Amino acid sequence: LAKTTQPISMDSYEGQEVNITCSHNNIATNDYITWYQQFPSQGPRFIIQGYKTKVTNEVASLFIPADRKSSTLSLPRVSLSDTAVYYCLVGDGKVTGGGNKLTFGTGTQLKVEL
Amino acid sequence: DAMVIQNPRYQVTQFGKPVTLSCSQTLNHNVMYWYQQKSSQAPKLLFHYYDKDFNNEADTPDNFQSRRPNTSFCFLDIRSPGLGDAAMYLCATSRAGSGSTYEQYFGPGTRLTVT
Repeated sequence: LAKTTQPISMDSYEGQEVNITCSHNNIATNDYITWYQQFPSQGPRFIIQGYKTKVTNEVASLFIPADRKSSTLSLPRVSLSDTAVYYCLVGDGKVTGGGNKLTFGTGTQLKVEL
Repeated sequence: DAMVIQNPRYQVTQFGKPVTLSCSQTLNHNVMYWYQQKSSQAPKLLFHYYDKDFNNEADTPDNFQSRRPNTSFCFLDIRSPGLGDAAMYLCATSRAGSGSTYEQYFGPGTRLTVT
């Protein structure tokens, strides 16, 4: 079971770039790295997924070094609405029917201020 | 828009009184999940369905049951709620055969209060 370690909380200001780093020393060869975002009283929302190097979408970038023992979620120019909990996940086995089992860690509470 | 819907958003039940939470989806996904999320904690998987094939997590208490009468609907039954079962219950879906994707689609959750 690959576990993740990430900071409990981070503070930032509007317009800044935020980088949240996650450690996953025991990641398996077949595992992907995934990030979810959760606002209060809402379900988690998939942000981005990657295997190695760099992945970018309209919301964020994910940087993964060659050894894959860590990853960094980068949020460009954050706003107040980016205040949320961000979860880093790696594989935890398959579920029947396909797809992957999600085991959420403690997450990082990001607070964005003016 | 295709989505995952959970009703009710807030549910209050009495200690020991059975309660049912419902989830529906318009995504036509084969896999449906139920998670429990207690205050200030991460979501924890209770069980999942692949079509009508039920898969329980090893540490899910027997007090929690589930039904999936068709592709679109899934229910979470708590037979005898205790105070420790107060939590947000999240329903999620994913596409079958999505071996390399970790993308699940979550509903807004039902917050259960036990009095």
